[in-house]
Amino acid sequence: AQSVAQPEDQVNVAEGNPLTVKCTYSVSGNPYLFWYVQYPNRGLQFLLKYITGDNLVKGSYGFEAEFNKSQTSFHLKKPSALVSDSALYFCAGFGSGAGSYQLTFGKGTKLSVIP
Amino acid sequence: EAGVTQSPTHLIKTRGQQATLRCSPISGHTSVYWYQQALGLGLQFLLWYDEGEERNRGNFPPRFSGRQFPNYSSELNVNALELEDSALYLCASSLEAGTPINSPLHFGNGTRLTVT
Repeated sequence: AQSVAQPEDQVNVAEGNPLTVKCTYSVSGNPYLFWYVQYPNRGLQFLLKYITGDNLVKGSYGFEAEFNKSQTSFHLKKPSALVSDSALYFCAGFGSGAGSYQLTFGKGTKLSVIP
Repeated sequence: EAGVTQSPTHLIKTRGQQATLRCSPISGHTSVYWYQQALGLGLQFLLWYDEGEERNRGNFPPRFSGRQFPNYSSELNVNALELEDSALYLCASSLEAGTPINSPLHFGNGTRLTVT
């Protein structure tokens, strides 16, 4: 069975500081990994994805994510956090060997950027 | 372009009743997905419809059902409501059937279902 884990329920960071939201995965075959963001009372918005190629993926709103195969991780990063980045972040993925393209989501990490 | 729209925004039902939730995908999208977002549980996959057919369902009891109409809009029905069905129900659509690799999911704002 495939799984995606976000080990931190909440991350607090000061405005202007770099931020990292962690994600680890366990899938069969090649991993396909995604990050989504959810603002209060809204649906999820796509940020970025890793399919193949460069381990550093750049996405929307200045976010990027680093794929690390040996550590089975796909951490979300941003060099300088903004207060407006405060939201709920979801990591999701599936594996090429799963026999299904169904995305498995992590439980989410609440990011709070403190002014 | 108009995004994924869901109705109603909020729905309050009592235990044992039935709830019907509606979703209109982005124009041109043929695949519709339903997810349940319960507090502390993240997103749990419910159902996937494409071209009017149910393609896959998650680990939910049969009282969770739905359908997709010829215009690709979709309905989620929850029968015999239980207190633990209280959650945000999210609908998503995608351009390509089955795989989010080339066509990321686009989510609606959800329907907040409260069962009392």
